[in-house]
Parts: sequence; structure tokens; C-alpha cells
Amino acid sequence: DADVTQTPRNRITKTGKRIMLECSQTKGHDRMYWYRQDPGLGLRLIYYSFDVKDINKGEISDGYSVSRQAQAKFSLSLESAIPNQTALYFCATSTVAPAGGFSGDYNEQFFGPGTRLTVL
Amino acid sequence: AQSVTQLGSHVSVSEGALVLLRCNYSSSVPPYLFWYVQYPNQGLQLLLKYTTGATLVKGINGFEAEFKKSETSFHLTKPSAHMSDAAEYFCAVRYTGGFKTIFGAGTRLFVKA
Repeated sequence: DADVTQTPRNRITKTGKRIMLECSQTKGHDRMYWYRQDPGLGLRLIYYSFDVKDINKGEISDGYSVSRQAQAKFSLSLESAIPNQTALYFCATSTVAPAGGFSGDYNEQFFGPGTRLTVL
Repeated sequence: AQSVTQLGSHVSVSEGALVLLRCNYSSSVPPYLFWYVQYPNQGLQLLLKYTTGATLVKGINGFEAEFKKSETSFHLTKPSAHMSDAAEYFCAVRYTGGFKTIFGAGTRLFVKA
């Protein structure tokens, strides 16, 4: 079974609709992230969460909101979808370095399979 | 501003040829460096990473990358391309003490028979 799952995998919606994308993980990681991927732009960070009570905006948070329902669940909402939010969305998790290791989080991120969202 | 530059949005090689994907970062402080691969309709998965120690890092599927501080580069190579290597590759950096990963724009690798 996949460690990081996302639902739905594909979604087509209309302008103005509210959409929620869900992410669940079984890796036991504290840190979770939402990215969007656009051709030629790589991945851009929307929101990130270091634990259930710690949620932070990324570089492109306008038009999005998130909820960390539990350590394992991190949802992304588009309150009123618009066409330029058409993109591929990824959830990711990571963990911090072990005690005695480097300060900060030097470990890699683990990605879900992505949600392809189309806003008409 | 911190940034990651991948030279070439598309690279095409013949099967069996050398693969070279270029990545440069902007920083005076050596960061942690990553290469991820994305196969069609899948999420990103880690190929290899550099955190400290040996500057030549070996990853999965025969890929390796060398951290060159003087050139602020972390180019990805594979001696002999295979058809299954066709994918998009992302270079990423995380700066010491930081928590954000910065991704390059990606390079799509095509492998010709």
C-alpha cells in the first residue's frame, strides 16, 4: 500500500465551486506539504504544516486554505475555484533529522501520486 | 533570492548514451541537494541526495551526481541511458537550518531507440 495517498486523483470542476483535496499518510511523519506543479515552473509550495497545530503559508497560498485534521491527514481547499488553479497538486511528507544529527530537516520528501485538477 | 536552475527543459539521448542533466543553485552556503524523478502519472520519488561527506553520490537505477561547491552545481549523470529512464527530473535544494525545499523547473528526458 502507498505511504502517501491523495484523493481524488482527477477532478473537473467549474469556476466558483469549492473543492477539497485530501491527503493521508502512514509514514508517521510530522511534516506535511501541499505543492502545485505547472509545466515549466516546477513545484511551488502552497502550505506546509509541521504538526497539527502548526500551519504555515507557502509562496502561493492565495486562493487556498488547509486543514490538518490529524497527524496523518492534511487537506487542501479551494474556496472558490478559478481556471488558473488548473494544475497538478501534490501532497508530501518529511521528517526531521534524528537527535544528534544536523539541525533542521535535511531529509527527503515523500510524495503522493498527485491530483489533477481542472477548473472550467 | 535562493534559486535552482536546471539547464534545458528537454533533453534527448539515444539508448545507451550518456545522460547528463544539469543543475545549479544559488547560495554561498552549501545546501542539501536532491534529485527526484517523476514518471508519467506518478508523484516524485527520490533518486539521490547529498547532505555531507563524499561529493559523488550514487542513487537508484544507476544514476549518480557530483556536488561541486566551487561551481555551485549538482549535475546528474548516468553512463548508459535506458528506455525506462524517460521521465521528468527535478533538482531540489534545502538550505542548512531551513525547512523549505526549492525545486527547479524540471528537465524532461527523452530516450530514443
